[in-house]
Formats: sequence, structure tokens, C-alpha cells
Amino acid sequence: GIQVEQSPPDLILQEGANSTLRCNFSDSVNNLQWFHQNPWGQLINLFYIPSGTKQNGRLSATTVATERYSLLYISSSQTTDSGVYFCAVGAPNTDKLIFGTGTRLQVFP
Amino acid sequence: DAGVTQSPTHLIKTRGQHVTLRCSPISGHKSVSWYQQVLGQGPQFIFQYYEKEERGRGNFPDRFSARQFPNYSSELNVNALLLGDSALYLCASSLAYVYEQYFGPGTRLTVT
Repeated sequence: GIQVEQSPPDLILQEGANSTLRCNFSDSVNNLQWFHQNPWGQLINLFYIPSGTKQNGRLSATTVATERYSLLYISSSQTTDSGVYFCAVGAPNTDKLIFGTGTRLQVFP
Repeated sequence: DAGVTQSPTHLIKTRGQHVTLRCSPISGHKSVSWYQQVLGQGPQFIFQYYEKEERGRGNFPDRFSARQFPNYSSELNVNALLLGDSALYLCASSLAYVYEQYFGPGTRLTVT
């Protein structure tokens, strides 16, 4: 099956810093989503981005499907950005999302 | 518009018991998927239902079963609970097959 790897596993930042999270996947995918999981477990949709580039405020994402990776950029980080960021991909002809192991982000004031 | 809702929020059961978890999708969404997330890991796919038919099943034992109702809500049933079934159970809905998925707040199940 498709393997999804995220890096780095842990990231500690001071408020105001920028960061880049990476997601590598091992095969062609029909779906790629980025989520932020808050301390209460809620998965919050950040981007639906099987290919291309999108921006939403301080966040942006780029997926290069032909090279099998996606990047999530967080600019001017805030303490509320803390939590776990997951990349999830969907294999062709399925609706199953395969999640990576996540990046745990901690932002300190 | 209301998001995906799940009930109950928390649940404590004893080994060997049975549990039913419920999920209501976003209005207009016809696909519901279930995921299990154990502490420290990413969610793992259990089932997907679209238009009341099972469209996908993950690598889980037959103790896990699910169904989707005519109003597109769904139930996940787990029989003969084991300690290892303790996890956060997440429900996701999407408009149709292979669309963006939206997750509910989850049901946290503890098996003692």
C-alpha cells in the first residue's frame, strides 16, 4: 500500500517564526489533504490539494504530484498554531485516506 | 451549517462488551467513513459507506461492523471489546466518492 512520511516529526518555534512541513508519498494519489489536530482531537481541514498551490491567510500549501510530495508553509506562527499536523492521501479508486505520522508543532510566546 | 456530529463524546466500557458509535454527516453529504486513532498515531481507516453501500474496508477484525441509514447517518459497532480497542473513533463525511473529507469531533472510547 501507499506509504506516507512526514517530516520533521517535531518542531519547536518561537512566535513569529516561519516553518515548512513536508509530506512524501510513495505512489500516485487522487486526493491529498492537510489537517491540524487540536489538543481535543478535532481534525481541522487546512487544504484539499491533490496538486498545485493554495493559500489561506498565513498558511499555504504546494503539492507536486509528479514528484510525490507536498509542503505546508506556516508564516508568522502563533501559539494557536500548536498541535499536530497531518498529511493524508487517497489511493486511486478508493475513498480511503492514508495518514502520515504527523508533525507535532509547539509555538512558544 | 452544522458540521459532522458524533455521539457519544466519551465512553467507558469493559472488556467483552459491545459498543455502538453514531455519526451524522454534513447535510447533503452522502459518504461516511470511520477511522480509529490510537494515542500517538495517525488515524487508521476502518470503513467507508457511500449511498448506503460499503465501498471500502480497512484491516480490522470482523468484530468491527458498520452501516449507513437512508438519511446517510451511520453507526459503527464493535463487539467483544478488547483493551486495544481503546482509541479515538473519528467519523468523516464527504459530498460523494473521492471528495474532500470533513471530520467530526470523535468519540473517545476507553476499554477497561
